[in-house]
Amino acid sequence: GESVGLHLPTLSVQEGDNSIINCAYSNSASDYFIWYKQESGKGPQFIIDIRSNMDKRQGQRVTVLLNKTVKHLSLQIAATQPGDSAVYFCAERGAAGNKLTFGGGTRVLVKP
Amino acid sequence: GAVVSQHPSRVICKSGTSVKIECRSLDFQATTMFWYRQFPKKSLMLMATSNEGSKATYEQGVEKDKFLINHASLTLSTLTVTSAHPEDSSFYICSAAPGYNEQFFGPGTRLTVL
Repeated sequence: GESVGLHLPTLSVQEGDNSIINCAYSNSASDYFIWYKQESGKGPQFIIDIRSNMDKRQGQRVTVLLNKTVKHLSLQIAATQPGDSAVYFCAERGAAGNKLTFGGGTRVLVKP
Repeated sequence: GAVVSQHPSRVICKSGTSVKIECRSLDFQATTMFWYRQFPKKSLMLMATSNEGSKATYEQGVEKDKFLINHASLTLSTLTVTSAHPEDSSFYICSAAPGYNEQFFGPGTRLTVL
């Protein structure tokens, strides 16, 4: 079956440093991947997405890397700020339909 | 743009009562809306997918008679938790999809059943 998982449940990072959040997925047929940020008591907020025909995509202070060979996805946050403290989820969309499967989540704690 | 609202944001009810949660896409039409459930410190679990004007498709293990979903228009979907029990207490989140790709999430509804 489909599954998406994360390597690290909690990531502590110094303010100003870069953060890297990793995600493994198992469905090689997945064609679309998204990173979401969720703050306490709120719904997930879209950060960045990437299609399976790409291996890198950059946004404002964020970069998503996709390695289809090893079915690995990562989110890099440059110059991490206190406002980046949240739980980050990766999600994949399988080849059939537009349902998303979410990974387990990584909590990022930014230390001042 | 792409704002999704949920109402109420928080609800407390007695065991045995029913609770309705609304999900609205405020500035776009959503061909599909999704309902998720999230337990504390856990990931989002998809409950069902609803398309406007048709019956919802429920994920395995989700009771369709307990979690009634209505998608009456392209901007409104409702989730009704019938005969709620304490184990139904959770954070319920909807998302709306204007097309095939992105899903825009609502702020969530915290349900507490006493």
